[in-house]
Amino acid sequence: SQKIEQNSEALNIQEGKTATLTCNYTNYSPAYLQWYRQDPGRGPVFLLLIRENEKEKRKERLKVTFDTTLKQSLFHITASQPADSATYLCALSGTYKYIFGTGTRLKVLA
Amino acid sequence: DVKVTQSSRYLVKRTGEKVFLECVQDMDHENMFWYRQDPGLGLRLIYFSYDVKMKEKGDIPEGYSVSREKKERFSLILESASTNQTSMYLCASSSRLAGGFVEQFFGPGTRLTVL
Repeated sequence: SQKIEQNSEALNIQEGKTATLTCNYTNYSPAYLQWYRQDPGRGPVFLLLIRENEKEKRKERLKVTFDTTLKQSLFHITASQPADSATYLCALSGTYKYIFGTGTRLKVLA
Repeated sequence: DVKVTQSSRYLVKRTGEKVFLECVQDMDHENMFWYRQDPGLGLRLIYFSYDVKMKEKGDIPEGYSVSREKKERFSLILESASTNQTSMYLCASSSRLAGGFVEQFFGPGTRLTVL
């Protein structure tokens, strides 16, 4: 069955460093991959979308890569800030349906 | 600003009760979704709708039904609530532009507790 894996353990990094989160998937060939941010008690908020024929996408301090051979996406936050602390979800889509990972909790230490 | 609203932030119901969760979006989106989110399991799709009166089962439809009588409103119904339906319920909507492969906009969620 289709499966998405994100590191379930929390990631703690120092302010100013680059945070790198990983999303691996199996038994799926998504056309699109998305990243969302979720704060406690709130709904996810869309951050970035990358298509299967794109290798990299950037938005301000965020960068996403998509390697369809490795079946992996990396999500980077450069110059991280305490306000970036949240859970980050990746989601795959090939049709109207989206498959979400369980998310990785990021904590940026001041 | 896109807005997706859900009828309640917190809800407590008893086993066997019929429960209605309402979701309204104001962006004229064709697609609407209901998910539940549980620790360690992530977001799981219950039902989705790509048009008025249209619905399709997601990955975990058992024990749930939905209704979409108007484009902006998508309701989730728990016919007879059970304790294993205690969860965070999230509604989302998206446009059908670009084949539907666009961002989803989520509501704030309803935390349902079934006693």
